Amino acid sequence: DGGITQSPKYLFRKEGQNVTLSCEQNLNHDAMYWYRQDPGQGLRLIYYSQIVNDFQKGDIAEGYSVSREKKESFPLTVTSAQKNPTAFYLCASSNRVSNQPQHFGDGTRLSIL
Amino acid sequence: DQQVKQNSPSLSVQEGRISILNCDYTNSMFDYFLWYKKYPAEGPTFLISISSIKDKNEDGRFTVFLNKSAKHLSLHIVPSQPGDSAVYFCAALRSVNYGGSQGNLIFGKGTKLSVKP
Repeated sequence: DGGITQSPKYLFRKEGQNVTLSCEQNLNHDAMYWYRQDPGQGLRLIYYSQIVNDFQKGDIAEGYSVSREKKESFPLTVTSAQKNPTAFYLCASSNRVSNQPQHFGDGTRLSIL
Repeated sequence: DQQVKQNSPSLSVQEGRISILNCDYTNSMFDYFLWYKKYPAEGPTFLISISSIKDKNEDGRFTVFLNKSAKHLSLHIVPSQPGDSAVYFCAALRSVNYGGSQGNLIFGKGTKLSVKP
């Protein structure tokens, strides 16, 4: 089945450590996105990538980094510089054709030990 | 400053009745609007969308209305079913000229819908 896979579903991190969240899609979508959701909040864009080897900062990119070496993969690293990393992280992808809806993975919940 | 606002954090409706979820936006450059449905611990699922050149789009029990002059859109669910209980997010975008690709979505904070049997 085509879709977006995020792993792991739950992730725990010690303070001061970097951690990488995985996102893989087999929908042949060019564009991929990372969002963060906090309780009672909407989704806020962290980073996005429209094509391989290119990515742009979203609204809350500080303390995060990404790479886009393959079309299928868009991993997100939460660095120790991110002061409040506990959140629900969602990855999405879409076609490059205008106005195609983004498809989301089931998310990764990151918690600080 | 919120560009997309969902002013009702929650809504409770009786099964079989109509559910109306509202969304307001401030940026007149938005030209495409989407509704997503989200269950706990899952990713949002695309529900229905509308382009700014239309004022209504219908898909089964779901209808989205757009009032551009008021910068307001609403999602109607008729009839409401218990399985519709979820958080509904309104999202908007301004299409960007980047090789024809989609612009970035701006999400509201969501409205939690509870449909009671």
